[in-house]
Amino acid sequence: GAGVSQSPSNKVTEKGKDVELRCDPISGHTALYWYRQSLGQGLEFLIYFQGNSAPDKSGLPSDRFSAERTGGSVSTLTIQRTQQEDSAVYLCASSLVKGGALNSPLHFGNGTRLTVT
Amino acid sequence: RKEVEQDPGPFNVPEGATVAFNCTYSNSASQSFFWYRQDCRKEPKLLMSVYSSGNEDGRFTAQLNRASQYISLLIRDSKLSDSATYLCAVNPGSGNTGKLIFGQGTTLQVKP
Repeated sequence: GAGVSQSPSNKVTEKGKDVELRCDPISGHTALYWYRQSLGQGLEFLIYFQGNSAPDKSGLPSDRFSAERTGGSVSTLTIQRTQQEDSAVYLCASSLVKGGALNSPLHFGNGTRLTVT
Repeated sequence: RKEVEQDPGPFNVPEGATVAFNCTYSNSASQSFFWYRQDCRKEPKLLMSVYSSGNEDGRFTAQLNRASQYISLLIRDSKLSDSATYLCAVNPGSGNTGKLIFGQGTTLQVKP
């Protein structure tokens, strides 16, 4: 079956521009995650969506970052007024969460490599 | 203090060696623990879950020490193909969510 799909795979943008990154999770997965990974670094948690609950936004680095998940499926991560330090790989993952417990591994997309010039 | 911490390494070991990584977590209420493997320029993939009693999968053994708040991954008889970055992941457990926090990863290089 189809895995997690992210688009675009690469994005080069000028400093100050807005960007939108898209994630299409695995069908039926209730949980969706966004992480950021800079070169040689680990995964930095950004935001987590679970069903109809309010998202956990505790990892968003500034108010220039926002994300939404429409209809419990596709998610869009928006970065406004991009800065050079926003350059990283943005990874989306989805999983099945039942009864509040993580019941399946996270399945990651291939990521969007964002370069801010 | 970071929620989840790992020694970034790199760990350089010869083929056949046994190597172990630790990962500490700060939230004592953490409920679920995992090891992920990430190859260069690829997405992370689940290697194994970590159970309270410890668990083994072939050459890989994972253990949890709740008292000291760390998990470990032991790799026996290292293969060249084990070269990768190993990320620990912890579900903080607060509010019963599926949120998962990753460590920065430990890089393993297995040499011939």
